[in-house]
Amino acid sequence: AQSVTQLGSHVSVSEGALVLLRCNYSSSVPPYLFWYVQYPNQGLQLLLKYTTGATLVKGINGFEAEFKKSETSFHLTKPSAHMSDAAEYFCAVMDSSYKLIFGSGTRLLVRP
Amino acid sequence: SAVISQKPSRDICQRGTSLTIQCQVDSQVTMMFWYRQQPGQSLTLIATANQGSEATYESGFVIDKFPISRPNLTFSTLTVSNMSPEDSSIYLCSVEDQAGLSLGYTFGSGTRLTVV
Repeated sequence: AQSVTQLGSHVSVSEGALVLLRCNYSSSVPPYLFWYVQYPNQGLQLLLKYTTGATLVKGINGFEAEFKKSETSFHLTKPSAHMSDAAEYFCAVMDSSYKLIFGSGTRLLVRP
Repeated sequence: SAVISQKPSRDICQRGTSLTIQCQVDSQVTMMFWYRQQPGQSLTLIATANQGSEATYESGFVIDKFPISRPNLTFSTLTVSNMSPEDSSIYLCSVEDQAGLSLGYTFGSGTRLTVV
């Protein structure tokens, strides 16, 4: 069965610093992987996804993620954090029934 | 991508009552999903709703507590029945943007439910 582990329930960075949110997955089939962002009191917005092809995926708002099969990882990065990036971030993997399995989430805090 | 209108956006309900949440999509979709997000938690899938068939519930969720309707390819409802404070959560509907995976999944803005 597929599963997702997000290391760190909270990550704090300074404005302008590198953002790195970690996601490791478990899947018995080639995975489809997603990152979603949830701003306070809002629903989920798709940041980026990996299905096939290029392993470095670029998303919205300057975020990108790299699929590393050997490490079963799909970490999310952004070179320079902005205050508006403060939110909850969820990594997800799709299972064989096209359902999304979510990680526990990481809350990103951006210090001025 | 699909645009989802989810209603109500929030509600405060008395225990023992029921609340029906609506999810309207601006395009026809095959699969619709209902999730629950308990306070400070991640998303847990309640059920998958396909048009023309009964919803498929995940372990720990039952139809008597969370009846779902899917009358057509653009609409679905989730009812939270006989509510207790433990049902206080955000409920979200989600759709696949296309048959296949080219665009991923879109989520509604959620219904924030508080049971008192």
